[in-house]
Amino acid sequence: NAGVTQTPKFQVLKTGQSMTLQCAQDMNHNSMYWYRQDPGMGLRLIYYSASEGTTDKGEVPNGYNVSRLNKREFSLRLESAAPSQTSVYFCASTGTSGRASYNEQFFGPGTRLTVL
Amino acid sequence: LAKTTQPISMDSYEGQEVNITCSHNNIATNDYITWYQQFPSQGPRFIIQGYKTKVTNEVASLFIPADRKSSTLSLPRVSLSDTAVYYCLVGTSDTGNQFYFGTGTSLTVIP
Repeated sequence: NAGVTQTPKFQVLKTGQSMTLQCAQDMNHNSMYWYRQDPGMGLRLIYYSASEGTTDKGEVPNGYNVSRLNKREFSLRLESAAPSQTSVYFCASTGTSGRASYNEQFFGPGTRLTVL
Repeated sequence: LAKTTQPISMDSYEGQEVNITCSHNNIATNDYITWYQQFPSQGPRFIIQGYKTKVTNEVASLFIPADRKSSTLSLPRVSLSDTAVYYCLVGTSDTGNQFYFGTGTSLTVIP
């Protein structure tokens, strides 16, 4: 199993450009998440998808859109990139076990985005 | 979302036991407590999870008092490779799967 994969690993954009970050998981997980992590800071939730067909805003959704394409894939789109969106972006997924509160998240390797 | 408070940083010598305490005064009845470890340039990795009392696995122990308003992650005999940021999270999949990571505790293990 590859776990959670993200593409691209690195990206440099100019202000105003758009791009889509891709995330896929092969663990048959129901829930997927997008976080951003600024230097020296913790992770902040951008958007999440509790199950296929649903998406919800997290702490910092402004400037982003998401698509839960199918159970495996969850993409994050920046429509008009700004320097404040320079960050490392992590995708994560979590499944369900017999216990309703099981919440181990599996993270991808991250995408390092710089907006000039 | 139940938020947590942790020390910003800690230093420890190799071979010592390290205890990192997390405060979560607003923890809800159904919330579990989960700890993650993050190395530089990597995504966080699950370490341990518990609801009450004590949980132990091959990596760490988690101590949770009866009132559940705090928890302590214990790392036995740390090595240089344990240098990382440790996050305490409180939540449950019942609440729509949102979790607040906070800034974590940066642990530096000194030779």
